[in-house]
Amino acid sequence: NAGVMQNPRHLVRRRGQEARLRCSPMKGHSHVYWYRQLPEEGLKFMVYLQKENIIDESGMPKERFSAEFPKEGPSILRIQQVVRGDSAAYFCASSPPGKGSNTEAFFGQGTRLTVV
Amino acid sequence: AQSVSQHNHHVILSEAASLELGCNYSYGGTVNLFWYVQYPGQHLQLLLKYFSGDPLVKGNKGIEAEIIKSNFSFNLRKPSVQWSDTAEYFCAVNPTNFGNEKLTFGTGTRLTIIP
Repeated sequence: NAGVMQNPRHLVRRRGQEARLRCSPMKGHSHVYWYRQLPEEGLKFMVYLQKENIIDESGMPKERFSAEFPKEGPSILRIQQVVRGDSAAYFCASSPPGKGSNTEAFFGQGTRLTVV
Repeated sequence: AQSVSQHNHHVILSEAASLELGCNYSYGGTVNLFWYVQYPGQHLQLLLKYFSGDPLVKGNKGIEAEIIKSNFSFNLRKPSVQWSDTAEYFCAVNPTNFGNEKLTFGTGTRLTIIP
């Protein structure tokens, strides 16, 4: 059973470009979470999705950031018109359905975004 | 809202020394608690988790954590560290009410073991 797969591992974008980060959850997992880790800081929750639904996006910046988890395919975190402050490691986690909050989230290796 | 504090940002120990990493949480209700580890160049991995029951949870290779609810703490301990324990350690919490599964992480403690 492959783990949570994120790609790309490293992404370099110029200011103003768009960044697309992909996350394929573990097989059988229907809950996906995105976290951001800024330099010298802990992970900060961004968004929680289930298939075709955004459940909690309280950690998402109001502008330029969006996330989706379609019926088919990976979850996508999209950052439009990137700025230097978006440079960070973005981690995806997944968990199985149906067990509420007593579930273990498995993390991917992260995508390190560098904005130049 | 819940929060997690890890007061030790960087800990340096010699091999065979004993380890204790502090974690304090604040939340008005019942919580689940976790310790995650991130080895250099790798993804976050779950080390220990507390949901309910025995306040002392044990993992592999002598690692353990104990929740002390009166102190709002969930400290990580290991009696004798090895060079391979060098990593970043994150404490995390989430409320136990159904549907609120997002984790709140501490800022992490970087552990460096000197051979």
